[in-house]
Amino acid sequence: GQQVMQIPQYQHVQEGEDFTTYCNSSTTLSNIQWYKQRPGGHPVFLIQLVKSGEVKKQKRLTFQFGEAKKNSSLHITATQTTDVGTYFCAKAGTASKLTFGTGTRLQVTL
Amino acid sequence: DGGITQSPKYLFRKEGQNVTLSCEQNLNHDAMYWYRQDPGQGLRLIYYSQIVNDFQKGDIAEGYSVSREKKESFPLTVTSAQKNPTAFYLCASSMRSRADTQYFGPGTRLTVL
Repeated sequence: GQQVMQIPQYQHVQEGEDFTTYCNSSTTLSNIQWYKQRPGGHPVFLIQLVKSGEVKKQKRLTFQFGEAKKNSSLHITATQTTDVGTYFCAKAGTASKLTFGTGTRLQVTL
Repeated sequence: DGGITQSPKYLFRKEGQNVTLSCEQNLNHDAMYWYRQDPGQGLRLIYYSQIVNDFQKGDIAEGYSVSREKKESFPLTVTSAQKNPTAFYLCASSMRSRADTQYFGPGTRLTVL
């Protein structure tokens, strides 16, 4: 399927710094989902965005869906070591399928 | 994540042998999926099933086979035709009414020696 590109591939921050990952698609998306995978673990659903320009917050995490519904971002304010992992966006396809982005691996050090 | 089990967590096989990975869910979900994840990579869809006795190929189905005889079970067989089977295999499920949100099992790490 068509890939969803994420940037950056990897980011290393110090605890307390902010972090942002971006998800870009060449086609208009019906919705976008975000998942987090801890090292050695499995992806866990975080949130789904549906509306153009939508912004949703979960504590220190802020999710945005672009006005044109072709891109999305996840911003973490004041990172903590518990934020370590890989963050994936995923777009809906046909027949309940999801196409996952390439992922951004976040490393947080004290 | 609870409600989807995959066993075993780690699996070792010799080259040339078929191996079947189990996936069971008690979430009453209609749809089930198999993904492959390689180190530092994203998730690639192998097979998916929206309903019992029906399944479709994903993006990388070659060398794999599945069955869906029961709603709660979706086993994946990695055949000897799969050229590079060593990987982390993830099973997921979703409700058809909220078809896009997927819930993942803990995964099976397969190593072929």
